Amino acid sequence: QVTLKESGPVLVKPTETLTLTCTVSGFSLSNAKMGVIWIRQPPGKAPEWLAHIFSNDEKSYSTSLRNRLTISMDTSKTQVVLTMINTDPVDTATYYCARIPEQFPYYFDYWGQGTLVTVSS
Amino acid sequence: SYELTQPPSESVSPGQTARITCSGDALPKQFAYWYQQKPGQAPVLVIYKDTERPSGIPERFSGSSSGTTVTLTISGVQAEDEADYFCQSADSSGTSVVFGGGTKLTVL
Repeated sequence: QVTLKESGPVLVKPTETLTLTCTVSGFSLSNAKMGVIWIRQPPGKAPEWLAHIFSNDEKSYSTSLRNRLTISMDTSKTQVVLTMINTDPVDTATYYCARIPEQFPYYFDYWGQGTLVTVSS
Repeated sequence: SYELTQPPSESVSPGQTARITCSGDALPKQFAYWYQQKPGQAPVLVIYKDTERPSGIPERFSGSSSGTTVTLTISGVQAEDEADYFCQSADSSGTSVVFGGGTKLTVL
C-alpha cells in the first residue's frame, strides 16, 4: 500500500525557515523512475508546484520560488525534505507531497493527506 | 509564465453529463492530467495522459484532447462527483509543472 505522509510545524513566524518532511512507504524511491514532488495549496486556491526530486538526485524547482527552496532525499530513500527560507504570510497553505510514478512526463498518482502551515507572527 | 485556463464553475443535474474544459497553448505537445478534490481532502488523480483512467476510477470519468483544449467528461453524474477539478500539465519545454485554476462542479 503506497502512502506518503507530510510532517512539520503548524505555525512559523515570518522570515523563519520552514522545514517539511515527506515519509513514504509501499514503494521504493530507489526506483530511478519514481520521484516525489512538493505541492502547496493556499486556502481556496489552486495547487502550486514547488519542487521535485528523483532518486538519481535530479531536482527541479518552481521558477518563482527557486531562490528560497531546497529539496533533498535521505540516504535511506524513504524521506524527502523541503526547506523554504524567509517565509512570509503569503506562504500560508496546505503543503502536500505526492509520488511521481514516471521520470517523464510528470504527474502524481498518490498524495499525502497534506499539512496546513500558517505563517504568522 | 505558462497558464492553464478552466471555467471557475459548472453545474449539472444528477444523471446528466458534465464537461469541464482546460485550455493552454502547450497542450498539443504536453499531456494533461485531471484531479478531483473534495473539501478537506487531498487531490485524487482521475485521468492521466489525456485519456487514461487509473484503476479504481469509475468508468463514467473520461478525458479527451483537441488542439489547445482538453476536456474531462463525467457521464451520468452522481452526487458524490461534486468537487473541485483541477487540470495539470507542463509548459512547452516540459520542465515546469502547471495547474489550472480549478472548476467547482456542483450537482444540482
